[in-house]
Amino acid sequence: DTAVSQTPKYLVTQMGNDKSIKCEQNLGHDTMYWYKQDSKKFLKIMFSYNNKELIINETVPNRFSPKSPDKAHLNLHINSLELGDSAVYFCASSQDTGLPQPQHFGDGTRLSIL
Amino acid sequence: AQTVTQSQPEMSVQEAETVTLSCTYDTSESDYYLFWYKQPPSRQMILVIRQEAYKQQNATENRFSVNFQKAAKSFSLKISDSQLGDAAMYFCAYRSGLASNTGKLIFGQGTTLQVKP
Repeated sequence: DTAVSQTPKYLVTQMGNDKSIKCEQNLGHDTMYWYKQDSKKFLKIMFSYNNKELIINETVPNRFSPKSPDKAHLNLHINSLELGDSAVYFCASSQDTGLPQPQHFGDGTRLSIL
Repeated sequence: AQTVTQSQPEMSVQEAETVTLSCTYDTSESDYYLFWYKQPPSRQMILVIRQEAYKQQNATENRFSVNFQKAAKSFSLKISDSQLGDAAMYFCAYRSGLASNTGKLIFGQGTTLQVKP
């Protein structure tokens, strides 16, 4: 009964490859997010979707393309992976209609580029 | 743009004692929310406590409480009766109350808390 689930938990791949990370939430929330946590543990917003509509796109290279097939899913596709993409990627969700609620996070996906 | 600063990269506390983690933020907004998240070695991000800026009363959750000083833009976290399970990285985060700024959290750099038995 995991609230926000991400797959895979670990992803090791070669530079130049294309990979996807999937995220699903079963909380009925209307907003989903992707955050990146770098090697110094700094967390930064990448994207936000509200009811399948892109709301936030924070100066992320266009090699990163989020896709939200429905409001319970927000996947992240990364093209032409680079060494600097190595990080932990967190998916999160919240209910933002009405009084904003805290965000619930997935367990993160550790992406390692060789 | 809003910023969040945690000036203590590392803190340590003896088990059963009290520790305070500092957080300051910068904003020109009057409506916003502040959070503390805990990240143990397992990597999960766990909400510890939240504070609405319009509320004067400091939030408390069991052993966790905050000292919210709106004029000083300060939001410290106090952990009482520290337990070994409290050892983790703690992040302070800011969320705008503006409807146009849908939900994104701005995080501080984090403070690693060590709890000594």
